[in-house]
Order: sequence, then C-alpha cells, then structure tokens
Amino acid sequence: QQQVKQSPQSLIVQKGGISIINCAYENTAFDYFPWYQQFPGKGPALLIAIRPDVSEKKEGRFTISFNKSAKQFSLHIMDSQPGDSATYFCAATYNNNDMRFGAGTRLTVKP
Amino acid sequence: DAGITQSPRYKITETGRQVTLMCHQTWSHSYMFWYRQDLGHGLRLIYYSAAADITDKGEVPDGYVVSRSKTENFPLTLESATRSQTSVYFCASSERKKETQYFGPGTRLLVL
Repeated sequence: QQQVKQSPQSLIVQKGGISIINCAYENTAFDYFPWYQQFPGKGPALLIAIRPDVSEKKEGRFTISFNKSAKQFSLHIMDSQPGDSATYFCAATYNNNDMRFGAGTRLTVKP
Repeated sequence: DAGITQSPRYKITETGRQVTLMCHQTWSHSYMFWYRQDLGHGLRLIYYSAAADITDKGEVPDGYVVSRSKTENFPLTLESATRSQTSVYFCASSERKKETQYFGPGTRLLVL
C-alpha cells in the first residue's frame, strides 16, 4: 500500500517548457514533504522540501506547491532544461516515522 | 573523500547464497538507512539505525539482517538470497530521522 501516490510515471517536456509532477497522500499527520532528484547510476539527492505551514516554496527554477485541504503537493520545474532529465521522487514523513516515497517520475527534457 | 560509500557497486549471486552489502559514511550521522529501489515501487525502507547497536525494521525487512557496531558502518546481509531480492540497494544517512537523507551511489544486485 503506497502511502504517497505520484504521477505521472513518465513525462516528456520540450526544452524551455514547464514540468509538473504531482503527489497525493492520505495520512494527514505528514508534516515534511521533500522532493529528491536521481540521475542514472546515482543515488537520490534532496532537491527541495516543504512543510505544511506554507503553500509554496521556490528555489530557482524549482517550486513546490502544497494544498493541505486536498492533501496534494506538486513540483514545478520552470524553463526545463535537458540537464533536468532525471527521476524525481516525492516523499512524506512526520515525527519520528519512516520516510514514505512515491513511485517516481522519469522526466525527459528534449532539446 | 567525505561522504557515503557503498560496496560492491554490482553483485551477481545465486539463490540461497549469503550476500553482504557494505555502507560507510564519514559524517558521523546518527541515522543510517537501507532502501531497495524497484520499478513502480520507488524507494522502500528495509531497516534503519538510530545509533550504534540500535536498529529497527522498516517497511520490507523480511529476508534481511543488519548490524551497526560502529557509527560509520551499516552492513546489510541477505542470509539466503532469493530472486525477489534482485534490486538496487541504497544506503543513506542523516543527522536526525526527519531531515535530509544523503544517499550512497547504490549497489545493483542480481540474484540468479
């Protein structure tokens, strides 16, 4: 049973376009929502994270939007670049519980 | 070099054999984790450790054993490997459980 549902499974975007990856959760106790980026052959690395007291967090071209009432959060990549091609994982946790990861989205940005 | 390393990077073994995957971190992080990554499942926690000699089960612990005699090392042992354990295994560490986890490069394991 996946506690964090991620979509789409794969995404193809043209260079300069906006990439949007969505995640939904059921457990309202979750209070920390990170996004990890993974390049082929590498381990995941933290990209950006948000806590539910804010609705949006932006770091450069990457933005997390958080909708607490809908229990959804999403990653937006503005001006997508071929170097952004990677697999992206959303995750969620609370208190001292295990981090729960989404199934991942493979993003391909075409030049 | 500082960071988190895993060895071996690739391993082929046969069903029923014992396999140990190694993980070493140089940050002195309290927490260490073992995940497996499978297509369609993302990352699933196998075991984690909050400190030396303290370990606990994650979501998918069956068939695995861990130990942590030193803060910097966290080996994962498959006591009798099965084909369903073919996967990519990632070790990670963090200072606190609900904080950024730093992942190693992974070990790709194939069980024949």
